[in-house]
Amino acid sequence: QKEVEQNSGPLSVPEGAIASLNCTYSDRGSQSFFWYRQYSGKSPELIMSIYSNGDKEDGRFTAQLNKASQYVSLLIRDSQPSDSATYLCAVRVDMRFGAGTRLTVKP
Amino acid sequence: ETGVTQTPRHLVMGMTNKKSLKCEQHLGHNAMYWYKQSAKKPLELMFVYNFKEQTENNSVPSRFSPECPNSSHLFLHLHTLQPEDSALYLCASSQDRPPSFTGELFFGEGSRLTVL
Repeated sequence: QKEVEQNSGPLSVPEGAIASLNCTYSDRGSQSFFWYRQYSGKSPELIMSIYSNGDKEDGRFTAQLNKASQYVSLLIRDSQPSDSATYLCAVRVDMRFGAGTRLTVKP
Repeated sequence: ETGVTQTPRHLVMGMTNKKSLKCEQHLGHNAMYWYKQSAKKPLELMFVYNFKEQTENNSVPSRFSPECPNSSHLFLHLHTLQPEDSALYLCASSQDRPPSFTGELFFGEGSRLTVL
């Protein structure tokens, strides 16, 4: 059974702090990795994609991939209350999602 | 219209009813997906269509019947559903080229289904 695992949280951080979200996956054949953000009552929206080992930065977001450890993470710097949402990790080939980590950023 | 649109946004049906969910994508993508999202559970992949051909059926009960008449439209026909089928049904599209499926998904707003 191919699995994508995330801590369900909730993860609470103060405004301005770094939020660290983690994801592990079981399928070594996975090729592409994505982080989606889902606000309550809304559909998931893509915030980061990463395809090769290392770090990828986009504004306040950094995705980190370690294929040897089958681990992908998302760092959110200078967290804002508007970042409060559920963050979903997704892994391809077959686009499986983790259960999501609920993040709360407290003013 | 842009993106991925789903109708209806909300649907209430009895266990004996027949209804359909519709999805349309305006992104020129070749792959379309149905996902089910239940409370406190991961997104569950139900069906995948690539160039109108079904490439995945993730052990979904036959009371859910997909239809993909072209690369822009996807339907999910519903009949004799159970209360546990109540969930948010999300449609998504991506630009994929077999054998590589590396594209990100773009989601519609979802259809909230309640089965009484």
